[in-house]
Amino acid sequence: ETGVTQSPTHLIKTRGQQVTLRCSSQSGHNTVSWYQQALGQGPQFIFQYYREEENGRGNFPPRFSGLQFPNYSSELNVNALELDDSALYLCASSPRGDGETQYFGPGTRLLVL
Amino acid sequence: AQTVTQSQPEMSVQEAETVTLSCTYDTSENNYYLFWYKQPPSRQMILVIRQEAYKQQNATENRFSVNFQKAAKSFSLKISDSQLGDTAMYFCAFHGEGAQKLVFGQGTRLTINP
Repeated sequence: ETGVTQSPTHLIKTRGQQVTLRCSSQSGHNTVSWYQQALGQGPQFIFQYYREEENGRGNFPPRFSGLQFPNYSSELNVNALELDDSALYLCASSPRGDGETQYFGPGTRLLVL
Repeated sequence: AQTVTQSQPEMSVQEAETVTLSCTYDTSENNYYLFWYKQPPSRQMILVIRQEAYKQQNATENRFSVNFQKAAKSFSLKISDSQLGDTAMYFCAFHGEGAQKLVFGQGTRLTINP
């Protein structure tokens, strides 16, 4: 059974650019959630996708957007990057009806200069 | 809104000792789920243990166990016979029934010394 994978592992961008992060869910999981983890902090919920539809969103501006594909993989897109967007971005997948357990990928470290 | 508080930013114990990490949370819900996740320097968030609020019995997973006190809204993690590989950040997290998100605490950095 393949776990949650994310790409790339590291990324460096400059302010104002756009970035796309990718996530493949664990086999059998149809729900993907994205979190932002600033250095020294706990993760903060960005949004969740279920069956290709956004299914809940945290307190993040519209320049944070996402997609989920028919195979349940997902993308996180961030436009007009700001310095404060520098963080670890975590993807988590879960099977609907599992009692809300989310399984995390290894994360993508984004640095905005 | 739910909040999760971990009052111990850092802890350090000797190998083979027992250590308890504290977590309190605030919610008005009756049914929910609580989790402990471990995040080693490799960054991957690893599920340690899960507790359903409607279950009175405390969850255990090998050397890891919890003390779930629903009325006090307390959810501590006990690690027995600690090992060097237990060194990591530990996060307590809350998930409301039917909600989408995990709400995390600020984390406790645990160091196991040889």
